[in-house]
Amino acid sequence: AQTVTQSQPEMSVQEAETVTLSCTYDTSESDYYLFWYKQPPSRQMILVIRQEAYKQQNATENRFSVNFQKAAKSFSLKISDSQLGDAAMYFCAYLGADSSYKLIFGSGTRLLVRP
Amino acid sequence: DAGVTQSPTHLIKTRGQQVTLRCSPKSGHDTVSWYQQALGQGPQFIFQYYEEEERQRGNFPDRFSGHQFPNYSSELNVNALLLGDSALYLCASSFDTGELFFGEGSRLTVL
Repeated sequence: AQTVTQSQPEMSVQEAETVTLSCTYDTSESDYYLFWYKQPPSRQMILVIRQEAYKQQNATENRFSVNFQKAAKSFSLKISDSQLGDAAMYFCAYLGADSSYKLIFGSGTRLLVRP
Repeated sequence: DAGVTQSPTHLIKTRGQQVTLRCSPKSGHDTVSWYQQALGQGPQFIFQYYEEEERQRGNFPDRFSGHQFPNYSSELNVNALLLGDSALYLCASSFDTGELFFGEGSRLTVL
């Protein structure tokens, strides 16, 4: 069975600085997708960034980028120029290519942004 | 364009009761998935509905059931509530297996 592990329950970053959130996963599948979701206090899950396993190039969305290490099964999220609005829970999630959107989530990392 | 809407936002039930949660998908979406998020944990997949049928199911007992209507809206029913069913229930919609869009959830408290 696939598993997703987020070992950092909470992280703190100074506004305008950079922070990296860690995620590791375990799978025997060769084709899959990885995601980072943000969950603010409003509770709505918002997609931050997505990575296809077959792509070697790391995904980037504005201030958000990932470091995808397929052999190590590692998928970290880097947030540059952190803003107060980035404060939220961040969840790493895995999707097998043939699993019809049954996302498997990690336990989350709470990100605090200090002004 | 309204996103995914869920109702009710909060509700309190007692053990043994039954609850129905509702979800209206984003316009143009035909697939609805339900997730349970216990406090301090990541969401867990309950099931997914497509074309009014359950397409995939996670590791949840038969007390959890659902339905999808012709207009693609969906209901999640939980019978014989247990204290451990207290959680945030998230609905997510997509067009088939496209990107998921989540609602803000229904917070269920079982006393």
